[in-house]
Amino acid sequence: AQSVTQPDIHITVSEGASLELRCNYSYGATPYLFWYVQSPGQGLQLLLKYFSGDTLVQGIKGFEAEFKRSQSSFNLRKPSVHWSDAAEYFCAVCVSGTYKYIFGTGTRLKVLA
Amino acid sequence: NAGVTQTPKFRVLKTGQSMTLLCAQDMNHEYMYWYRQDPGMGLRLIHYSVGEGTTAKGEVPDGYNVSRLKKQNFLLGLESAAPSQTSVYFCASSYQTDYEQFFGPGTRLTVL
Repeated sequence: AQSVTQPDIHITVSEGASLELRCNYSYGATPYLFWYVQSPGQGLQLLLKYFSGDTLVQGIKGFEAEFKRSQSSFNLRKPSVHWSDAAEYFCAVCVSGTYKYIFGTGTRLKVLA
Repeated sequence: NAGVTQTPKFRVLKTGQSMTLLCAQDMNHEYMYWYRQDPGMGLRLIHYSVGEGTTAKGEVPDGYNVSRLKKQNFLLGLESAAPSQTSVYFCASSYQTDYEQFFGPGTRLTVL
């Protein structure tokens, strides 16, 4: 069965530090992969997505993610975190042909001033 | 262009009561989804629809029913609410040929 694992429930970084959020998936074929961000009390907003092609994808707000097939990973990165990046981040896999998403359990990011 | 809207934003029910959550989208999307979000469990798909008049079960459909009578609306019903249905409910929609989902702001439901 398909699954998405975000091993870090909470991450705390200082403002200006680099960030990497981990995401591993279990899926038989090449997946469609997504990162969403959720601010407190809000819905989810798409940061970036990977369908095919270049394995390094750029998103909004200065985020990027790299698809590594050999590691079944799609880690999210940002070189310099801003206080406004404090939020919860969700990785998701789309099940090809069904348009259904499988979400990870989320990583809550705290940013220290 | 309002995107995806949800009504109501908050609701408190007593066990056994019924209610309907309304989701509306103005992007002419074919696909619509209902999720529930619980702490430590991410988002779980309740039901989804691939077009007007069609619905399908997701991961956690028990206790919920849905209808898609109009393309722009997707209703989620709770016939007899239970405390286990206390959650935040999100609606989402997407194009038929693009997998990006657009989310509504959520409905926080408490069942006492």
